[in-house]
Amino acid sequence: GEDVEQSLFLSVREGDSSVINCTYTDSSSTYLYWYKQEPGAGLQLLTYIFSNMDMKQDQRLTVLLNKKDKHLSLRIADTQTGDSAIYFCAEIFRNDMRFGAGTRLTVKP
Amino acid sequence: GAVVSQHPSRVICKSGTSVKIECRSLDFQATTMFWYRQFPKQSLMLMATSNEGSKATYEQGVEKDKFLINHASLTLSTLTVTSAHPEDSSFYICSANMGAETQYFGPGTRLLVL
Repeated sequence: GEDVEQSLFLSVREGDSSVINCTYTDSSSTYLYWYKQEPGAGLQLLTYIFSNMDMKQDQRLTVLLNKKDKHLSLRIADTQTGDSAIYFCAEIFRNDMRFGAGTRLTVKP
Repeated sequence: GAVVSQHPSRVICKSGTSVKIECRSLDFQATTMFWYRQFPKQSLMLMATSNEGSKATYEQGVEKDKFLINHASLTLSTLTVTSAHPEDSSFYICSANMGAETQYFGPGTRLLVL
C-alpha cells in the first residue's frame, strides 16, 4: 500500500502489555519511529529503530521490525494509565516523514 | 477535512537575516499550534507549543530568542528564525489542534540559509 497503516484503537487493562502495530510503505526506509501524543500536547519522539535491526528495547518499550513484511510494532510492558495517548508510527519516505493515522491507546484501571 | 497552510513553502536567505514562517488554520480555530523541525532524513522534533494570547512553551534545548513564536489570533501562528545561520537550514512544520487530540499538519516550509 501507499499509506502507513495502523489500527485506530487499542484498549488494555493496567499492568497488561500493549502491542501497537504498523505497516509502512518503503522497504528502503532507514529509520522508523514511534511518536506519542498526549491530550493537548505535541508529538513527542518515543523511540526509533534503524532498519538493520530486528528489535530494540528501551525500558518498558520494545520495538520489533519485520523488514520483509514492512511491519513495525511497539510493545509497552506493564502498561500504566499514564500511557494512555495516541501513538503514531512514522517512516522517512524519500526526504520527508510519512505518518500513520495514530493508534489511540486506552488503559483501563 | 481541516486544512493547515504554511507560507512560504520554501525560502532561501542569507546568513544573518531573519525569516518569518506563517502557519494558518484555514477552516477552524486553533487555540494551540505546534512547531516542529525536521533535519534531512531525520525525525520530526517538537520545538515549541504556541498558545493563542500567551507565550509559547519551548522544548528543552530550543532557543526562544532564536525562534520567536507569535500566536496572535486563533488562526495564525508565526515562527521567526532570527539571525539565521546555515545550521538553521531545515524543514519546519506546524500543526494545529482541533479539540484536544486531533492535530492537523501543515505542508512544511523548507528553509535554506546560505
